[in-house]
Amino acid sequence: AQTVTQSQPEMSVQEAETVTLSCTYDTSESDYYLFWYKQPPSRQMILVIRQEAYKQQNATENRFSVNFQKAAKSFSLKISDSQLGDAAMYFCAYTGTASKLTFGTGTRLQVTL
Amino acid sequence: GAGVSQSPSNKVTEKGKDVELRCDPISGHTALYWYRQSLGQGLEFLIYFQGNSAPDKSGLPSDRFSAERTGGSVSTLTIQRTQQEDSAVYLCASSFAGRIHEQFFGPGTRLTVL
Repeated sequence: AQTVTQSQPEMSVQEAETVTLSCTYDTSESDYYLFWYKQPPSRQMILVIRQEAYKQQNATENRFSVNFQKAAKSFSLKISDSQLGDAAMYFCAYTGTASKLTFGTGTRLQVTL
Repeated sequence: GAGVSQSPSNKVTEKGKDVELRCDPISGHTALYWYRQSLGQGLEFLIYFQGNSAPDKSGLPSDRFSAERTGGSVSTLTIQRTQQEDSAVYLCASSFAGRIHEQFFGPGTRLTVL
């Protein structure tokens, strides 16, 4: 079975600074996707960024980028120029042949002035 | 509608009652997923529908939980004889067939069992 581990229950970053959220996963599949989802207090799960396992190039979406280390099964999220609106729960997730998403336990990100 | 919608937004019920939660997926999306988010268990998969195929029910925690999808569109998650441990946010997501990497989520239903 696939597992996703987020070892940082909470993180804090100052506005305009950079923060990295960690995620590791375990799988025996060779074809899969990894995701970072943001969940603000409204509960809406918002896709932040997606990485396809067969792509070596790290995905980037504006201020958000990932460091995908396939051999180490590591998938960290870097948020640059942090903004107050980035404060939320962030979930790392995996999907493969089973189609369903497997989530980590989440990291609560606080953004301070 | 433009996105996945769920109703009700919040539901409070008494232990032992049955509840029905509704999910209306994005038009054209043939795949539909239910997840549960609780304090004790985190985010967990419940059930997955894909077109006319038999649903993947492997995540349903007990036989008190069931779901159906009528006409390949709207889905209803039913919890019978609710227990306090059923209190959670129930999230629905949908995607196009074969586009498992593009699941769009609804706002969820917060269920509170007293």
